[in-house]
Amino acid sequence: EVQLVESGGGLVQPGGSLRLSCAPSGVTFSDLFVDWVRQAPGKGLEWVGRTKNKAYSYATEYAASLKGRFTISRDDSKNSLYLQMDSLKTEDTAMYYCAAIRGVFGYWGQGTLVTVSS
Amino acid sequence: QAVVTQEPSLTVSPGGTVTLTCGSSTGAVTSGHFPYWFQQKPGQAPRTLIYDTTNKHSWTPARFSGSLLGGKAALTLSGAQPDDEAEYFCLLSSGGARVFGGGTKLTVL
Repeated sequence: EVQLVESGGGLVQPGGSLRLSCAPSGVTFSDLFVDWVRQAPGKGLEWVGRTKNKAYSYATEYAASLKGRFTISRDDSKNSLYLQMDSLKTEDTAMYYCAAIRGVFGYWGQGTLVTVSS
Repeated sequence: QAVVTQEPSLTVSPGGTVTLTCGSSTGAVTSGHFPYWFQQKPGQAPRTLIYDTTNKHSWTPARFSGSLLGGKAALTLSGAQPDDEAEYFCLLSSGGARVFGGGTKLTVL
């Protein structure tokens, strides 16, 4: 069974940084495209960015509005992916999901909550 | 970046049929936008229903189907059940970016 588990959320002050992790299991890590998606309280889904799989050299793509503050990376040795978030703003408060949704996969994690507040 | 539009809300009767649509501000939606459809219930993570316009996952109920309709991506629910009451989001890909629609709140009543 494929599972995605996010971690690393919490309370951070405006201007601070946070790194979220996503740990897939039950699937060959290097095969995965993984998206990061966020959802502010009571709002819709917002695409943050994604990392492609090994065949595409783990290339990354980002939402234009977030590029420069958010960085996606992955560590094959730890079978983990990361979302580094810098210069956080109150409007970055959201549930953050990692999702392996490309093609036949279709899997989502349960999310990790990030709250940006002083 | 494109703006992706969905009906804010729709209502369907139990056993009825309803079509949700997903349009793009840049023009007609095509298979090249690789449309996805997701279902989300309150307090839960989204669930993928449809990928690449028409393809279903093993867990997608047969009553859901995806298509292109009048320049938009479409999700049709045939034979609605109370359990289908949820919010539905589409996702389109374009030029290395992906954009979600604002979501359709579907009421089964």
